[in-house]
Amino acid sequence: EAQVTQNPRYLITVTGKKLTVTCSQNMNHEYMSWYRQDPGLGLRQIYYSMNVEVTDKGDVPEGYKVSRKEKRNFPLILESPSPNQTSLYFCASSLTGGNGTQYFGPGTRLTVL
Amino acid sequence: AQSVTQLDSHVSVSEGTPVLLRCNYSSSYSPSLFWYVQHPNKGLQLLLKYTSAATLVKGINGFEAEFKKSETSFHLTKPSAHMSDAAEYFCVVSDNAGNMLTFGGGTRLMVKP
Repeated sequence: EAQVTQNPRYLITVTGKKLTVTCSQNMNHEYMSWYRQDPGLGLRQIYYSMNVEVTDKGDVPEGYKVSRKEKRNFPLILESPSPNQTSLYFCASSLTGGNGTQYFGPGTRLTVL
Repeated sequence: AQSVTQLDSHVSVSEGTPVLLRCNYSSSYSPSLFWYVQHPNKGLQLLLKYTSAATLVKGINGFEAEFKKSETSFHLTKPSAHMSDAAEYFCVVSDNAGNMLTFGGGTRLMVKP
């Protein structure tokens, strides 16, 4: 089944404790992206990747890192999480970039205490 | 820079009546525009997209949207609402390169029996 998977789905952590949210897609998509969703703000793009080893900042990259060492994986790294990073995070992939149909993962709900 | 404004945060309709979800955009170039739907506790799914072809775009589940450049609008409509349409809807614009996506704040559609 074609899908985007994220792990973990739920995470409660404390300020400053490094964490990684994994994202994997099995559709051989070149484009992958991370978003955070906050009430009233819609989704905001954190980082995107056009292909392996090619990443770029979205609208809200501060406090986040990404890497794209393999085509299928695009992990989101929070080196020192803070409470303002409490949010719902979505990973998405697309065959043809931002203009293509985005396939979204199920989301990761992160709480930073 | 681009931006998207969804004019209503909540819309309530009765089952069988028309749906209108309003979206205005700002862009310095000819944009690509999308509508995505998010059902409760789910990821997002593409409803329809406009990429400089026909200005009236038909999507899934009977939804359609009309691109009006003079009004910088991309409103989503459906002739007859169904209970299963209750969800949150996001209007999205992509940048000139088709890499960065900007989401509106979302419109929650409620359908009354």
